[in-house]
Amino acid sequence: AQSVTQLDSHVSVSEGTPVLLRCNYSSSYSPSLFWYVQHPNKGLQLLLKYTSAATLVKGINGFEAEFKKSETSFHLTKPSAHMSDAAEYFCVVSDRSSGGYNKLIFGAGTRLAVHP
Amino acid sequence: SQTIHQWPATLVQPVGSPLSLECTVEGTSNPNLYWYRQAAGRGLQLLFYSVGIGQISSEVPQNLSASRPQDRQFILSSKKLLLSDSGFYLCAWSALAGVGEQFFGPGTRLTVL
Repeated sequence: AQSVTQLDSHVSVSEGTPVLLRCNYSSSYSPSLFWYVQHPNKGLQLLLKYTSAATLVKGINGFEAEFKKSETSFHLTKPSAHMSDAAEYFCVVSDRSSGGYNKLIFGAGTRLAVHP
Repeated sequence: SQTIHQWPATLVQPVGSPLSLECTVEGTSNPNLYWYRQAAGRGLQLLFYSVGIGQISSEVPQNLSASRPQDRQFILSSKKLLLSDSGFYLCAWSALAGVGEQFFGPGTRLTVL
């Protein structure tokens, strides 16, 4: 069965400093992995996705993530945090279910705070 | 491009009242559709999914039901709301083909008093 572990429930950074949000996954086959962002009282927005092509994936708003099979990790990074990056971030793995669709398995989320 | 709409955006309902939340998708055909609930401070819980008109599968037993009367319309309902039904309800869609990413609507904040 697939699973996702987000290693930090809260991360706090200063504006202009790098962001690192950590995610480890468990999968019995080559997974599809995603990062979503959720601002308060908003829906989830897809930041980026890994689908067994390039291991370094670039997403929107300057975010990127690197798939490391040997470490079963898919950490999210950004070189320089902006105040607008403050939000909840979810690492997600896609699990091929028996119901004819790809079930998403969500991590517990990491709340990112950005300070001036 | 595809868009997904949910309404209402917020709703305050008394215990025991009925509920109807609507979700519509534009710009795609034959999508898979999903209803999630996000309780305060918790992750997302999949409530229902649908792979076609009239085809509804429930992930967890609960006080809610779902219907898909049209290809791009998904409705979440309840006959009698409970306090525990409060939460943030999200509708999502995914393509039949693809790697499984889902695209979420803006959500409905439901408060049951």
